[in-house]
Amino acid sequence: AQSVAQPEDQVNVAEGNPLTVKCTYSVSGNPYLFWYVQYPNRGLQFLLKYITGDNLVKGSYGFEAEFNKSQTSFHLKKPSALVSDSALYFCAVRVNTNAGKSTFGDGTTLTVKP
Amino acid sequence: GAGVSQSPSNKVTEKGKDVELRCDPISGHTALYWYRQSLGQGLEFLIYFQGNSAPDKSGLPSDRFSAERTGGSVSTLTIQRTQQEDSAVYLCASSLGSLGGTDTQYFGPGTRLTVL
Repeated sequence: AQSVAQPEDQVNVAEGNPLTVKCTYSVSGNPYLFWYVQYPNRGLQFLLKYITGDNLVKGSYGFEAEFNKSQTSFHLKKPSALVSDSALYFCAVRVNTNAGKSTFGDGTTLTVKP
Repeated sequence: GAGVSQSPSNKVTEKGKDVELRCDPISGHTALYWYRQSLGQGLEFLIYFQGNSAPDKSGLPSDRFSAERTGGSVSTLTIQRTQQEDSAVYLCASSLGSLGGTDTQYFGPGTRLTVL
């Protein structure tokens, strides 16, 4: 069975500081990893994904994530947080042998304070 | 182009009634997914359609839940004899379906279902 853990329900950072939202996963086989962001009363918006190749993936709005196979992690990062980054962030994993089923973490609420 | 659309945006119903939730995927997307998001929870996979293949229904929580996809496009999620625990936001997503597990899912805004 595949699973995703987002160990922090809430992350608080000051505007301009770097941010990290943590994600670890468990799958059988090669993982495909995704980050999504959800603003209030909106659907999920895709940020970035890791499929293969370079472990550092760059995505929308200045976000990036690093795939670490040995630690089974895919943490989301941004060098300088903005107040507008405040939202709910979800990490998700899929495998090719079960392509239809994305397993999502429970989400992390990011609050960026001015 | 247009994104994934869902209707209604909000639905309030009484316990025991049936409800239908609709999803219009992005044109040309062959894969369609339904998820349920309960308050304070992550997304729970419900069902997956890919082209003409038999759907993956492994996430449907009970036989009160069913879904159809007509003509490879619009999908309807039906919940019969609704219960209060069915209250949640129901999210639909679509993807190209051509890249297996690697293609990006695009989500609709969701339908908020409240069962009184």
